[in-house]
Amino acid sequence: QLQLEESGPELVKPSETLSLTCSVSGGSITANNYYWGWVRQPPGKGLEWIGIIYYSGSPYYNPSLKSRVTISVDTSKSQFSLNLSSVTAADTALYYCARHTIEVAFDYWGRGILVTVSS
Amino acid sequence: DIQMTQSPSTLSASVGDRVTVTCRASQTISYWLAWYQQKAGKAPKLLIYKASSLESGVPSRFSGSGSGTEFTLTISSLQPDDSATYYCQQYSGYVHTFGQGTKLEV
Repeated sequence: QLQLEESGPELVKPSETLSLTCSVSGGSITANNYYWGWVRQPPGKGLEWIGIIYYSGSPYYNPSLKSRVTISVDTSKSQFSLNLSSVTAADTALYYCARHTIEVAFDYWGRGILVTVSS
Repeated sequence: DIQMTQSPSTLSASVGDRVTVTCRASQTISYWLAWYQQKAGKAPKLLIYKASSLESGVPSRFSGSGSGTEFTLTISSLQPDDSATYYCQQYSGYVHTFGQGTKLEV
């Protein structure tokens, strides 16, 4: 059974860079037909799509975050990562990693990690 | 960017009722539309993909329809366990978008 698990600092200072990693187990991160992505949810609010990446391709980002976000893949560790720079309190959210299957959408999700931006 | 608009924002119904949630896209997305269910404190769960395909393991009382710019999620006979927030998501192209969510109280 595929499992995804987010990890990283749960507290980040304003203006710094938020860095999260998603570890994939029970399946191959290099398998065909899968993209790997990030979604966030501010407390009490809705879901926001951040971006996706194919293991051997270019990432695609939410235009509203594009200037600050980087998503990358490390196939040797079966992980993919999210970096979000110049964070503010508005970036405080529950961050999920998920698998996007081509033609299906996000079919596997991690449990999420709450990241708070505060000094 | 493609914007997704869900209605209603909140919905209250009784056990056994049939309910419908609507999702409209700001431009055509063919049938590249998914529906998710999210319960408090949990990750979203995929219910429907390609507008009308039922994800494995999802009860048959859930169904989806539509194409182009207008889509619906229908729950045919509400159960207490269906209390949750429901989100649509378009995945046409490589930049995707969620609707703002519909909170359903049973």
